[in-house]
Amino acid sequence: AQSVTQLGSHVSVSEGALVLLRCNYSSSVPPYLFWYVQYPNQGLQLLLKYTSAATLVKGINGFEAEFKKSETSFHLTKPSAHMSDAAEYFCAVSPFYNQGGKLIFGQGTELSVKP
Amino acid sequence: ETGVTQTPRHLVMGMTNKKSLKCEQHLGHNAMYWYKQSAKKPLELMFVYNFKEQTENNSVPSRFSPECPNSSHLFLHLHTLQPEDSALYLCASSQAETSTGELFFGEGSRLTVL
Repeated sequence: AQSVTQLGSHVSVSEGALVLLRCNYSSSVPPYLFWYVQYPNQGLQLLLKYTSAATLVKGINGFEAEFKKSETSFHLTKPSAHMSDAAEYFCAVSPFYNQGGKLIFGQGTELSVKP
Repeated sequence: ETGVTQTPRHLVMGMTNKKSLKCEQHLGHNAMYWYKQSAKKPLELMFVYNFKEQTENNSVPSRFSPECPNSSHLFLHLHTLQPEDSALYLCASSQAETSTGELFFGEGSRLTVL
């Protein structure tokens, strides 16, 4: 069975500091992996996705994530945090090659950015 | 029109009421989904529709009744709900044939059951 674990339900950084949100997955087949962001009172928006091409994936708003098969990880990073990055971030895995939409989500990590 | 639109954005109902949530997608997708988002819990997949046919019901209580009249519209009919059903209900859509699983979400309907 597939699963996703996000380490840390809440992360706080200072503006301009590195953002690192951790995600580890479990999958019996090569996975597709996603990071979504949810701003207050909004739905989820796709930040980036890994679909077995380049292991370093760049997304919107300066975020990127690296797929590391040996560590079963897909951590999300941003070199310099901005106040507007404060939101909840969800890592997700797609357990099927040919069936879209059945994403397994992590429990989410709330990112706070201090001035 | 934005990609996936949900109405109402907020709903308060008593346990004996009957109400419906509506979702409409303008992306030309052929698969639609209902997710439940409760505080401190991962997102829970409730229902999946592919080409208007329900392909998944994730052990959802019968007080939640989905309806998908066409590939662009999805409803969630609610009746005799419980306070623990209070949550954010998210609708999403995708192309059923895609192999990547990418979902496009609406902004959600915040439900409060009194």
